[in-house]
Amino acid sequence: EVQLVESGGGLVKPGGSLRLSCAASGFTFSYAWMSWVRQAPGKGLEWVGRVKSKTDGGTTDYTAPVKGRFTISRDDSKNTLYLQMNSLKTEDTAVYYCSRDYEYYDVLTGYYSCWFDPWGQGTQVTVSS
Amino acid sequence: SSELTQDPAVSVALGQTVRITCQGDSLRNYYASWYQQKPGQAPVLVIYGKNNRPSGIPDRFSGSSSGNTASLTITGAQAEDEADYYCDSRDSSGNHVVFGGGTKLTVL
Repeated sequence: EVQLVESGGGLVKPGGSLRLSCAASGFTFSYAWMSWVRQAPGKGLEWVGRVKSKTDGGTTDYTAPVKGRFTISRDDSKNTLYLQMNSLKTEDTAVYYCSRDYEYYDVLTGYYSCWFDPWGQGTQVTVSS
Repeated sequence: SSELTQDPAVSVALGQTVRITCQGDSLRNYYASWYQQKPGQAPVLVIYGKNNRPSGIPDRFSGSSSGNTASLTITGAQAEDEADYYCDSRDSSGNHVVFGGGTKLTVL
């Protein structure tokens, strides 16, 4: 069974740090691109960032509001994805989900496809004084 | 523009057909994917690519695309389809992901 399990969430003061983990099982983690997506209370989904597989360069990309504060990394020997969050702000309060990130190019139509599947159950991060 | 626009709320009578739309410039090069999210639960992928359903997703869910608009159609909506639905795509750079604001579907 393909499964993602997040952990590490909690309550932290503004300016503080937190590291989230995402344990993967049921698929070859080292081949996978992985993303973090968050959802603030009562709001929609917001992509946080991605790390590609090492065979695809292992590069990372981030959404503008977290760039320079958040770092995504991976340990393929432990099948685990991480999100290091520094200089946390109250607006970072959200449920954080990890997900496998797919991308595919359809040569017949010239369209790209991208999707997230599966998703973990999420971990709550609350930034408050 | 890197934004995706969805109607905030849509309703459908039980057993009828409903279309949920997603508009954005990036959809001229990217197929949207669609996610279903019920209260207190993680999102679930329901449509990806041109019109592909993951294993376990009922065939009443289908996707289509025309120009800058992607659509999720539920043919014969069921009570259990009541949920929030989100589309996503890459932005114009191709490196970042954007989500639509979500559509709350009510099944009457």
